[in-house]
Amino acid sequence: AQSVTQLDSHVSVSEGTPVLLRCNYSSSYSPSLFWYVQHPNKGLQLLLKYTSAATLVKGINGFEAEFKKSETSFHLTKPSAHMSDAAEYFCVVSDPGNQFYFGTGTSLTVIP
Amino acid sequence: DAGVIQSPRHEVTEMGQEVTLRCKLISGHNSLFWYRQTMMRGLELLIYFNNNVPIDDSGMPEDRFSAKMPNASFSTLKIQPSEPRDSAVYFCASGGSSYNEQFFGPGTRLTVL
Repeated sequence: AQSVTQLDSHVSVSEGTPVLLRCNYSSSYSPSLFWYVQHPNKGLQLLLKYTSAATLVKGINGFEAEFKKSETSFHLTKPSAHMSDAAEYFCVVSDPGNQFYFGTGTSLTVIP
Repeated sequence: DAGVIQSPRHEVTEMGQEVTLRCKLISGHNSLFWYRQTMMRGLELLIYFNNNVPIDDSGMPEDRFSAKMPNASFSTLKIQPSEPRDSAVYFCASGGSSYNEQFFGPGTRLTVL
C-alpha cells in the first residue's frame, strides 16, 4: 500500500532563511514521488518529481528534494525562502496505475 | 496547450438542485481524476478513469454523485440532489502514462446553500 506522512502541518520561516518540509512515504512498489504547491484559491502546481533517476531532484522556484530509500524520506528544501513561497505544500506518492496518494499538506508561512 | 480546463469556476446553488461540473483533459492524456478538497478532509480522490473506463470509484461519497467520460477528452461530475455538505472545491486532473505527474485544473468552487 502507498501512503505519505507530512510530519509538520505548519512551518514558519523568516524570509531569506532555509526551508525544510518533511515527508516520509510508504510504498509497495519502487515509488514515484512528487511535491505539489497550492497557493491560496489556486489549483495544484507540480514543483518536482522523482521517478527512479537521480536521487537529488531539482524543481521550480529553487526547490529541491532528495530521495532517501534507507530513510523512506523525500524532504523538500530551499536555501532561501521568499515571500512568494507562502503556500500549502503536498507530498505525493503514486502507484503504477498513476493513482496519487496525498499527504495532509504543510502550510508554509514566510515572515518578512 | 491550455492545460486542464474546468467549468464553471464558481457555482452557487440551493440544496436539492442538480450540479454538473465539467472538465476537459490535456490532449493526449488518457487518465482523468476527480478530487474534492475541503478544510476538514483535505484532498480526496473521488474517481478516476483510464482510457474512458472508470477504474476506481470507491471515493465517490454516495449515489448522489456520478461521473462520466463520454469521450477521451471530456468528463462530467454530477451531484443530484446537492446538499450543503457537498460544498467544496472540486479539482480534476489529467495524466499520461504510468508514473507521470498529474496536471490539475484550476478547480470549481461549489457552494450549496
